[in-house]
Amino acid sequence: GNSVTQMEGPVTLSEEAFLTINCTYTATGYPSLFWYVQYPGEGLQLLLKATKADDKGSNKGFEATYRKETTSFHLEKGSVQVSDSAVYFCALSSNTGNQFYFGTGTSLTVIP
Amino acid sequence: KAGVTQTPRYLIKTRGQQVTLSCSPISGHRSVSWYQQTPGQGLQFLFEYFSETQRNKGNFPGRFSGRQFSNSRSEMNVSTLELGDSALYLCASSFRDSVSTDTQYFGPGTRLTVL
Repeated sequence: GNSVTQMEGPVTLSEEAFLTINCTYTATGYPSLFWYVQYPGEGLQLLLKATKADDKGSNKGFEATYRKETTSFHLEKGSVQVSDSAVYFCALSSNTGNQFYFGTGTSLTVIP
Repeated sequence: KAGVTQTPRYLIKTRGQQVTLSCSPISGHRSVSWYQQTPGQGLQFLFEYFSETQRNKGNFPGRFSGRQFSNSRSEMNVSTLELGDSALYLCASSFRDSVSTDTQYFGPGTRLTVL
């Protein structure tokens, strides 16, 4: 079946620190992989995506590379800001349907 | 282009009542999916509608139902509300012109509280 395992939180970092949030997946077929971000009181916003192996998604300084050999899609940012404080969700969508499978979310707090 | 809109944003109901939530997708999007988000269970898929037909369904009881109209707007209904139905209900739309994967765009959600 399809599933996503995401790094447990919460994560607290100082401003300008390096961020890694681990995400691994199990999927049938060839899934697309996504990172979504949820700010307090809001819905989910697409952060980045990758649709095939070795693709790198990037947006707003965040990056993630689709690694088929390790079934991973880790999120990274070189220098976090206070405004990056949010909950981050890793997700996959199987090419056999439009159903998304989400990880449990990782809460990030960045302190000045 | 306007984003996904959901109404109402907040609802308070009592046990045993029923509730209807509404979702308007991004213009041109034909697929609408619904999710329930709770602190304990995270994001759980309810169902997906495409061209007025339910295409996928998650593992929820029959009290949860939905429909989609010809303009792609969708409604979700929960009957005989239980305390455990208190959650943030998220709607997501995508273009989805085939069975291939497609990016989903989420609305702000409807916060349902059952007393």
